[in-house]
Amino acid sequence: DIQMTQSPASLSASLGETVSIECLASEDIYNNLAWYQQKPGKSPQLLIYYASSLQDGVPSRFSGSGSGTQYSLKINSLESEDAATYFCLQDSEYPWTFGGGTKLELK
Amino acid sequence: QVQLKETGPGLVQPTQTLSITCTVSGFSLTSYYMQWVRQTPGKGLEWMGFIRSGGSTEYNSEFKSRLSISRDTSKNQVFLKMNSLKTEDTGVYYCARGLTTRVSYVMDAWGQGASVTVSS
Repeated sequence: DIQMTQSPASLSASLGETVSIECLASEDIYNNLAWYQQKPGKSPQLLIYYASSLQDGVPSRFSGSGSGTQYSLKINSLESEDAATYFCLQDSEYPWTFGGGTKLELK
Repeated sequence: QVQLKETGPGLVQPTQTLSITCTVSGFSLTSYYMQWVRQTPGKGLEWMGFIRSGGSTEYNSEFKSRLSISRDTSKNQVFLKMNSLKTEDTGVYYCARGLTTRVSYVMDAWGQGASVTVSS
């Protein structure tokens, strides 16, 4: 199975700041990488698919990049509603596998 | 309006079978992959498998021997059945719809989740 190592595990940032979250795959996943946001007690919400494609309705301050084994999610101009846990998911190879999550707290 | 709703037993005894129904509205099961994902305290988010728009299935080998995904298109329902439950199967089980892009079938719409506790 492809292992997805996500970093950092937690992150604290201020309103208006820019943050990045990384996912490292144990092998090349050919841009088959999605990012999700999950708030407590809620189901995950799709932000980005195919590494950099923004899902309909997602604010443009979210962006994804990367290739090969290294991918990142960038959030510009943090807003209070961005406090959540973020997960990556590789859909390159079965079984699809998730990263361990990054908890983003707003100062 | 796209909606997905899971209904399940809440509490299941060890060794028993878990059955969850996902009822959808606002789209057709014959046009979308339908996925099952669970979230457990021990392993976090795990992709369990899906049923394709054409009806074939793909399972995570972690669950393959005890997992079954099926559907009834006439009732707009997708079913998850997993047998031989263990306490570590305790968690929230989500059904989700897959994207229909040419590059990705990842989950773009989710149900609210069915909480399952495995305990005697």
